[in-house]
Amino acid sequence: SAVISQKPSRDICQRGTSLTIQCQVDSQVTMMFWYRQQPGQSLTLIATANQGSEATYESGFVIDKFPISRPNLTFSTLTVSNMSPEDSSIYLCSVVSLEKLFFGSGTQLSVL
Amino acid sequence: GESVGLHLPTLSVQEGDNSIINCAYSNSASDYFIWYKQESGKGPQFIIDIRSNMDKRQGQRVTVLLNKTVKHLSLQIAATQPGDSAVYFCAEMGMDSSYKLIFGSGTRLLVRP
Repeated sequence: SAVISQKPSRDICQRGTSLTIQCQVDSQVTMMFWYRQQPGQSLTLIATANQGSEATYESGFVIDKFPISRPNLTFSTLTVSNMSPEDSSIYLCSVVSLEKLFFGSGTQLSVL
Repeated sequence: GESVGLHLPTLSVQEGDNSIINCAYSNSASDYFIWYKQESGKGPQFIIDIRSNMDKRQGQRVTVLLNKTVKHLSLQIAATQPGDSAVYFCAEMGMDSSYKLIFGSGTRLLVRP
């Protein structure tokens, strides 16, 4: 399976600021996704970030709030913009490798 | 840090017993199903998957059963160990092969020594 590294692993941020989360994969992957996991909840898909195309967002998520970059086949970033306490969640990147979906360890974000 | 699954249904089992975790999925057109294990502070870990053309699949100490008639998925863990304590999620995917997963609400498994 692919090895997925996320940075930072956790952060505490002030409201109104932005945080960029990095996802690095040890192999080239075409399909990459960003998920959010709110406290005590399951995972919700934010967007699909395939290399060579614009990210596509799920209902309830917009590019202005969660801009995504996918400059190559091993790397992606998700920015959480103009943060509010409601953005406090775990953010996870995932990739398709060998026709299975694997997840990074996540970024625990707390917004004060 | 904040733990996952603060308000999840909980299954408590004795070490050595078998565990059965159930999941009702939402879309009768879903074609692919996965079980994930999530320990505190970690991302979901792939356990086992099954396609809709199968009704049972076995792995090491785990078995997944699929009942498409009632849209039900279960994960059986044999000889449950303390290391199995975690939150377990089922996930489903449609036939469009987009790999966009819809996750169930999760079940916390607690293994008593």
